[in-house]
Amino acid sequence: AQRVTQPEKLLSVFKGAPVELKCNYSYSGSPELFWYVQYSRQRLQLLLRHISRESIKGFTADLNKGETSFHLKKPFAQEEDSAMYYCALNSGGSNYKLTFGKGTLLTVNP
Amino acid sequence: SAVISQKPSRDICQRGTSLTIQCQVDSQVTMMFWYRQQPGQSLTLIATANQGSEATYESGFVIDKFPISRPNLTFSTLTVSNMSPEDSSIYLCSCMGTGNWGSVFGPGTRLTVL
Repeated sequence: AQRVTQPEKLLSVFKGAPVELKCNYSYSGSPELFWYVQYSRQRLQLLLRHISRESIKGFTADLNKGETSFHLKKPFAQEEDSAMYYCALNSGGSNYKLTFGKGTLLTVNP
Repeated sequence: SAVISQKPSRDICQRGTSLTIQCQVDSQVTMMFWYRQQPGQSLTLIATANQGSEATYESGFVIDKFPISRPNLTFSTLTVSNMSPEDSSIYLCSCMGTGNWGSVFGPGTRLTVL
């Protein structure tokens, strides 16, 4: 069965510091991975998908199949990055059934 | 990308009653999804709702407890039946974004069962 693990429930950094939110997955098929973000009082929204390999709001994430990881990174954190971040795995192919990790609450301090 | 609205945004219900949550998408979508987020937990997929066919439920979820309707390509309902305090959760509706970019989520319905 598929599983997504985000080992850190809380992560606190200072503005300008690098940030890395960890995500590991377990899946027997070819994984399709996403990062979703939920800012305070806003709905869950897509941040990144591994297939697109692009940078959104300065965040990047690389799929490492050998380590079964999809860590989210940003070199210089901003206060507006404070939010809940969820890593998710699509295990349903074109049906897009997402398995979510438990989330990491990122706080960027001034 | 598609925009999803949900009603109600929150409700407080008595044990043993049922609540129907509505999900409206501003464009036609083939598949809609219902998720649950229990307090302090992650999102868990309840079922996939395709228009014109019965919903497909994930392990641990059954139609008698969570009946779903999908009358057209822009609308779906999820009913939480015979509620107990353990059903207190946020229920989210979702669909695919434009160009299969990824899932789009509604604002959620926060349900508290007393």
